Amino acid sequence: QVQLVQSGAEVKKPGASVKVSCKVSGYTLTELSMHWVRQAPGKGLEWMGGFDPEDGETIYAQKFQGRVTMTEDTSTDTAYMELSSLRSEDTAVYYCATTTVISTSPRSGFDIWGQGTMVTVSS
Amino acid sequence: QSALTQPASVSGSPGQSITISCTGTSSDVGGYNYVSWYQQHPGKAPKLMIYEVSNRPSGVSNRFSGSKSGNTASLTISGLQAEDEADYYCSSYTSSSHVVFGGGTKLTVL
Repeated sequence: QVQLVQSGAEVKKPGASVKVSCKVSGYTLTELSMHWVRQAPGKGLEWMGGFDPEDGETIYAQKFQGRVTMTEDTSTDTAYMELSSLRSEDTAVYYCATTTVISTSPRSGFDIWGQGTMVTVSS
Repeated sequence: QSALTQPASVSGSPGQSITISCTGTSSDVGGYNYVSWYQQHPGKAPKLMIYEVSNRPSGVSNRFSGSKSGNTASLTISGLQAEDEADYYCSSYTSSSHVVFGGGTKLTVL
């Protein structure tokens, strides 16, 4: 049974960067295509980007291009999402999510989610 | 990429059926059979309820069903139960290899 365990809550000042981790257990990270989704307080889900195995590359949502970097450490089965130049509008819960049992492609949907990491941006 | 369009809220009484619509374009919902639906209770992570338009993951009640016609996908919940009260989000793969979510629908069980 795959599990995604994310790092703890963060408080950052505007202009800073934040790096959220997502540790995989039950699978190896190389078997998965990790994606990141965020949710501002009281708002809906927003896809940030992720690895598309059929394209063979990490795709970022246009809104975050130039500010987000998604990386992986396969030696520890941990995925990372770093967001820079933080502003108050980036205050949100950040989720890692992936596809396991239902399909080999994340295009099908995300059947496994991390517990979420609250990032607060405030001066 | 604009968000998919969902009604802000729907409601129904226990035992009834409700349907939530999700409207996109030919570049997302209408162009691929990669529509998924998620249920989210307050303070919890989303849970996948339907994938690839109409497939249910193991463990999801058969009271949940999905369909698609043209650029609009739908989630139907039959035999409404109190525990179905939650927010529901649709999602689709897009022609630019992105993923787009709907704005979310709050389901109230009366």
